[in-house]
Parts: sequence; C-alpha cells; structure tokens
Amino acid sequence: AQSVTQLDSQVPVFEEAPVELRCNYSSSVSVYLFWYVQYPNQGLQLLLKYLSGSTLVKGINGFEAEFNKSQTSFHLRKPSVHISDTAEYFCAVSEYNFNKFYFGSGTKLNVKP
Amino acid sequence: GAVVSQHPSWVICKSGTSVKIECRSLDFQATTMFWYRQFPKQSLMLMATSNEGSKATYEQGVEKDKFLINHASLTLSTLTVTSAHPEDSSFYICSARAGGDNQPQHFGDGTRLSIL
Repeated sequence: AQSVTQLDSQVPVFEEAPVELRCNYSSSVSVYLFWYVQYPNQGLQLLLKYLSGSTLVKGINGFEAEFNKSQTSFHLRKPSVHISDTAEYFCAVSEYNFNKFYFGSGTKLNVKP
Repeated sequence: GAVVSQHPSWVICKSGTSVKIECRSLDFQATTMFWYRQFPKQSLMLMATSNEGSKATYEQGVEKDKFLINHASLTLSTLTVTSAHPEDSSFYICSARAGGDNQPQHFGDGTRLSIL
C-alpha cells in the first residue's frame, strides 16, 4: 500500500521569500508523484507531476519539485512566492495505472505581505 | 482540454433529504470516474471508482446504500447521498479519466454539501 506524509500542516511565509513544502511517500512499487493546489471552496488543480525522466520537474505558477528516490521525497519549491499562492497544497502518489490516488494531509501555505 | 464539471458547487439541505451531485466530463469521454470526500482539515479520501455501464467499486468503510453512484454514460456520473445527515456534510470531489489505465485523472471543482 502507498502512503503520503506532508509533515507541515501550515507554512507561513512572507511575500517574495522562497518556500519549500515537504512530501515523503512510502510505496512497495514504483509510483507517479503529483502536487495539487486547492483554493478555498474549489477542487484540485494540478501543479506538476513526475512520471519519469528528469527528477527536477517544473510546473505552473513558477513551482518546481524534485523527486528523490533514495529519500522517497518529492518536495515542492518556489524561489519567490506571491500573495496569490496562498492556498492548500496536496502531494499525491499514484500507481502506474492511475487507478488510485493517495493524498497527503495537505499543507496550508499562507503568504503574508 | 480535459475539463470536469461538478454541479451543484454548493448545496444546503435538511436532514433526511437525498442529494444528487453530478460530475461531467465536458470535452472527453470518461470511462472511469472517481469520487472523493474531503473532511475539514483533512485530505481527500477515495470513496468509490465507477466504470461506465458497471457497478461502482467502493472503498472499505464506504456504505454502498448510503452513497449511490451511477455512471450511465461516458460523460456523466452521479453521486446520490441518500437520507443525508449532518455527519455527511463534507466536500465531495469527482475526477474523471479518459481511456483505460495509465491515463491521468482530471478533477472537478468539488461540491460543498451542508446538512442542517
């Protein structure tokens, strides 16, 4: 079975500062990795995904994430955040067949002016 | 492309009422749709997987008679919360997948259900 751990439930950060949202996973099989963003009262929007190839993945809104197989991590980073990045971010894993997504508990990013 | 629409986006109703939530794939045919539930301050939990024309597969702990899922066409799946009670209040999100395995899921915007 797969599981996803997001260690930080909330991350406060000032505008234009860098941020890293942590995600660790456990799985007995190879998986795909995803980061989603959820704005209040909305569904999930895909930020980026790692399927194969380069371990550094670039997504929308200036976010990027790096897949580290040895550490089973897929941390999300942004060098300079904006107020509009305030949202909740979910890390997720999926088996190769995409039949099931396993989500982390989410990290609320609060960008302050 | 790959837009998934949920309706309604917000519903408030009295206890004992049955509520139907629709999930539509607008620009692709979804052979498989998934229903998730998100409790406050928690992550999404998969409730069930439905394939067009087949009975839904429910995750452990999800009551089949409580949460009726119908996937009658390639573009529409419905979730009906029967005789809803306050504990059923939650955020329900559907996702849809075109084709078979190895195709990504596309998520709807969710439905906020509040039972008084």
